[in-house]
Amino acid sequence: AQSVTQLDSQVPVFEEAPVELRCNYSSSVSVYLFWYVQYPNQGLQLLLKYLSGSTLVKGINGFEAEFNKSQTSFHLRKPSVHISDTAEYFCAAKDGDDYKLSFGAGTTVTVRA
Amino acid sequence: DGGITQSPKYLFRKEGQNVTLSCEQNLNHDAMYWYRQDPGQGLRLIYYSQIVNDFQKGDIAEGYSVSREKKESFPLTVTSAQKNPTAFYLCASSNLVSALYEQYFGPGTRLTVT
Repeated sequence: AQSVTQLDSQVPVFEEAPVELRCNYSSSVSVYLFWYVQYPNQGLQLLLKYLSGSTLVKGINGFEAEFNKSQTSFHLRKPSVHISDTAEYFCAAKDGDDYKLSFGAGTTVTVRA
Repeated sequence: DGGITQSPKYLFRKEGQNVTLSCEQNLNHDAMYWYRQDPGQGLRLIYYSQIVNDFQKGDIAEGYSVSREKKESFPLTVTSAQKNPTAFYLCASSNLVSALYEQYFGPGTRLTVT
């Protein structure tokens, strides 16, 4: 099974500034990668996913992520954040032949005016 | 609207009591999952089921039990044997036929045991 590490537990950022959330996964021949967002006391919503093909993946709400196989990373970025982006973000990974997801510990993003 | 329903949203129980959390989906998904979420620990898999009448233990199954009598339903029972049951519980489902295996999550149930 995959092991996922989110390198930052908390990321404070000012409104309209860029943000990057870092995620590393354990090496695998075939891996599927996901970023989810969780607003307080709610379930998880999928932001974007990498299955194959282009290494730059665009998701909802202006987020994008880049798959880097050599560095086993899948960092999430947004060029300009809004107050409404304040939430917890989870990186998740699965091996191509496994239906179980492994989650990172989460990164809390707090956007300040 | 298709989706996953978890009820209730908040649940309070006394220590020593068993409690069952409900999870229903109308997405026609084959697989269903239960996760436990604690602050700073991400999501940990409790149980999962790929088909009706079959389920497997996840990483932290001790003190929990499940059933899968219908495709749409996957209730989780937190037993008195679970030492630290207070947590946020999330149910998810996915389509095994599709190669995507994307999991869809319910809104969660926050269980507090005192």
